[in-house]
Amino acid sequence: GAGVSQSPSNKVTEKGKDVELRCDPISGHTALYWYRQSLGQGLEFLIYFQGNSAPDKSGLPSDRFSAERTGGSVSTLTIQRTQQEDSAVYLCASSQNGGLYGYTFGSGTRLTVV
Amino acid sequence: LAKTTQPISMDSYEGQEVNITCSHNNIATNDYITWYQQFPSQGPRFIIQGYKTKVTNEVASLFIPADRKSSTLSLPRVSLSDTAVYYCLVVFGNEKLTFGTGTRLTIIP
Repeated sequence: GAGVSQSPSNKVTEKGKDVELRCDPISGHTALYWYRQSLGQGLEFLIYFQGNSAPDKSGLPSDRFSAERTGGSVSTLTIQRTQQEDSAVYLCASSQNGGLYGYTFGSGTRLTVV
Repeated sequence: LAKTTQPISMDSYEGQEVNITCSHNNIATNDYITWYQQFPSQGPRFIIQGYKTKVTNEVASLFIPADRKSSTLSLPRVSLSDTAVYYCLVVFGNEKLTFGTGTRLTIIP
């Protein structure tokens, strides 16, 4: 598509439930990133996929967070047993080959855990 | 990656030129300087990137002195729609981007 698409745009879930967030990157972009942004804060890196390489998971805050990227395209971020502190906007970005070539971000998924 | 420092917030009136300066004292030879803009309820948007001297596009200009330890993003004749958070980043190759808290620019009518 023309841009990075994320779904759902908003998600309200109960504490303890699992959620899945989806990211559809720009066609042909080999790199895909997940960030999260709490209210009024900067972006916190979560995970990075580059081609067929092992993902950089160094930003995942706990083992409740996981992500996969199937067929080098669509990615799913899964949060298990959600907690209230997981409430944030989750942003996905894709790039042709890393930061030097510019990221294109989606509009994000606003997750609210109640 | 080199750490960047920029003002937390700035205010400006419509029609003025706005300059946001970023410090990156530990920038490495192969690093580039990149700026992103983020409007409320949207993801950040790439606006400009440079290595040295001056870069200009339809949105902004980027001034980088010879020592490259700082850079200045210049927005000409700002309007209310330029109210946003502006992030300065130092980028190397295909490494992931690390965002700070940025500069919250508020344009006053």
